[in-house]
Amino acid sequence: AQKVTQAQTEISVVEKEDVTLDCVYETRDTTYYLFWYKQPPSGELVFLIRRNSFDEQNEISGRYSWNFQKSTSSFNFTITASQVVDSAVYFCALSIISNFGNEKLTFGTGTRLTIIP
Amino acid sequence: EPEVTQTPSHQVTQMGQEVILRCVPISNHLYFYWYRQILGQKVEFLVSFYNNEISEKSEIFDDQFSVERPDGSNFTLKIRSTKLEDSAMYFCASSESWEPYNSPLHFGNGTRLTVT
Repeated sequence: AQKVTQAQTEISVVEKEDVTLDCVYETRDTTYYLFWYKQPPSGELVFLIRRNSFDEQNEISGRYSWNFQKSTSSFNFTITASQVVDSAVYFCALSIISNFGNEKLTFGTGTRLTIIP
Repeated sequence: EPEVTQTPSHQVTQMGQEVILRCVPISNHLYFYWYRQILGQKVEFLVSFYNNEISEKSEIFDDQFSVERPDGSNFTLKIRSTKLEDSAMYFCASSESWEPYNSPLHFGNGTRLTVT
């Protein structure tokens, strides 16, 4: 079975500070995909990034960066120079292709990030 | 960019009533999903649907739930007799193929179901 752990329930930082959201996953599958989603107060799920298990290259997209380390089963997400609009709940997720041929996401419990102006 | 559309955005229903949540997946997509998020909790997989049948369902998806693709464009989730604990945000998702790297899941904006 798959498991995603986001140990940080809530984080508050002052605007312009950097913040890292932690994500640790468990799976026995050798092929899997990792995701981060943002859920603003309006409730929708906003896709941020997807990585596959064979691609450990870190990625940067503007103020966002992701650090994938297979050795520690972690996929951490850093926001640099945080802004108030970054305030949201962030979910890490893992997907595998099930025996039934469909993708199934397992989500973590989320980290509520509050950026203080 | 095409998107998954869910209606209504908010549905209020009385306990014991039937409710149907509607979704229009992206038109060339073949795999369809429902996920649920109880307020303040994580998003959970409910069911996947392919080739007009359920391919996998979770233990949450009991006999009170059913899914249907009635007309080739809509994808519906029916809860036959709602309970208070069915109150949640329900997300529909679709993908073009089973291969997630080339065909990621696209989520709709969700339907907030409130059972009173």
